[in-house]
Amino acid sequence: AQSVTQLGSHVSVSEGALVLLRCNYSSSVPPYLFWYVQYPNQGLQLLLKYTTGATLVKGINGFEAEFKKSETSFHLTKPSAHMSDAAEYFCAVSTPYSSASKIIFGSGTRLSIRP
Amino acid sequence: ETGVTQTPRHLVMGMTNKKSLKCEQHLGHNAMYWYKQSAKKPLELMFVYNFKEQTENNSVPSRFSPECPNSSHLFLHLHTLQPEDSALYLCASSQGEGGYTFGSGTRLTVV
Repeated sequence: AQSVTQLGSHVSVSEGALVLLRCNYSSSVPPYLFWYVQYPNQGLQLLLKYTTGATLVKGINGFEAEFKKSETSFHLTKPSAHMSDAAEYFCAVSTPYSSASKIIFGSGTRLSIRP
Repeated sequence: ETGVTQTPRHLVMGMTNKKSLKCEQHLGHNAMYWYKQSAKKPLELMFVYNFKEQTENNSVPSRFSPECPNSSHLFLHLHTLQPEDSALYLCASSQGEGGYTFGSGTRLTVV
C-alpha cells in the first residue's frame, strides 16, 4: 500500500526567504511523485512531477523537488518566497503501470508568506 | 475550451432536493475521478472511471450516484444529502501516469 506524509500542516516564511515543504512517502514499488498547489476556491494545479530519470525536478513558479530514494522523501523547495506563493500544497504518490493511475494525496501544507 | 470544466461553481441545496454536478474534459484522457474536499480533512477519493467503466467506489453512500456516459463527461447525482456532505467536490482526469488535471470544483452547501 502507498501513503504520503506531509510534515507540518502550516508553514510560514518571510517574503524572500527559502521555502521548504516536507513530504515522505511509502511505496512497495518505485513510485511516481507529484506536488500540487491549490489557491483558495480553486482546484489543484500540478506544480511538478517525478516519474523516472533525473531526481531533481523543476516545476512551475520557480519550485523544485528532489527525489531521495534512500530517505523516501520528495521535499519541495523554492529559493525565494513571493507573496503569490501563499496557498495549500499537496504531495502525492501513484503506482506506475496502473490503467487508471490512482493518486494518493497527503493531507496538505498551508504556506503563508509574511511581508 | 480546454482543460477540465465543472459546473456549477457553487450550489446550495436542501436536504430533500435532487441536483447534479457536471464535469467535462477536453483533453482526450481516458480516466476521470470525483474527489471530496472537506475543511480540515484530506482529499477523499470517491469514484474512479476508466474508459467509462467504474473501477473504484470508495464506500461512498448511495445518496451520491455517479454517471459516466462517455470518456469526456462525468456526473455526480445528489439526492437527500446531509449537512456533513457540504464540501468542495473536485473532478479530475488523467491519461497514463502523467498526473491529474483538476477542475475548479463545485462548492456544495447543504442546508
